[in-house]
Amino acid sequence: KQEVTQIPAALSVPEGENLVLNCSFTDSAIYNLQWFRQDPGKGLTSLLLIQSSQREQTSGRLNASLDKSSGRSTLYIAASQPGDSATYLCAGDPGTYKYIFGTGTRLKVLA
Amino acid sequence: NAGVTQTPKFRILKIGQSMTLQCTQDMNHNYMYWYRQDPGMGLKLIYYSVGAGITDKGEVPNGYNVSRSTTEDFPLRLELAAPSQTSVYFCASSYSAAGIEYGYTFGSGTRLTVV
Repeated sequence: KQEVTQIPAALSVPEGENLVLNCSFTDSAIYNLQWFRQDPGKGLTSLLLIQSSQREQTSGRLNASLDKSSGRSTLYIAASQPGDSATYLCAGDPGTYKYIFGTGTRLKVLA
Repeated sequence: NAGVTQTPKFRILKIGQSMTLQCTQDMNHNYMYWYRQDPGMGLKLIYYSVGAGITDKGEVPNGYNVSRSTTEDFPLRLELAAPSQTSVYFCASSYSAAGIEYGYTFGSGTRLTVV
């Protein structure tokens, strides 16, 4: 059974720091991968989608990469801001369009 | 552009009652999903649909039913509510064609408490 681990579970950093969130899958056969942001009491917002033919995606200060050989993905956030404070979830699709979600990393960026 | 709309936002049910969670999308997405999120946990897939008239079970389907009579609507039915169904329920949709997937759009969720 595919399981997704996100490390760290929680992170608190001062404003301006560059940071890396990690995601790993027990089964490295991941077809597509998405990173989401969830604010407290809200739904999920898709941040980046890495398609099966891609290895990374960038949007503004965010960069996500996927190493299919190891089943690991990283989300890099440059020059963090207090507005980046949220929970970040990764989700992998084993080729069925049914994504399997990690439990998330709770990020707090201190002003 | 409304995206994915879920109603109601909050609901308290008594044990044994039934209810339907509504989900509507206006993006002409072919795929739709229902997930539940328990505190401190990731999302678990309840049911999904690849198009009107086609539904299938996800990881945790027991106690739930769905239907997809139109592209836009994907209601989730809870029969005989139990305390274990206390959770936040999210509906999502996505579009896929020619092997390319365009990412999920989520609704804002329904917070359900069974007492």
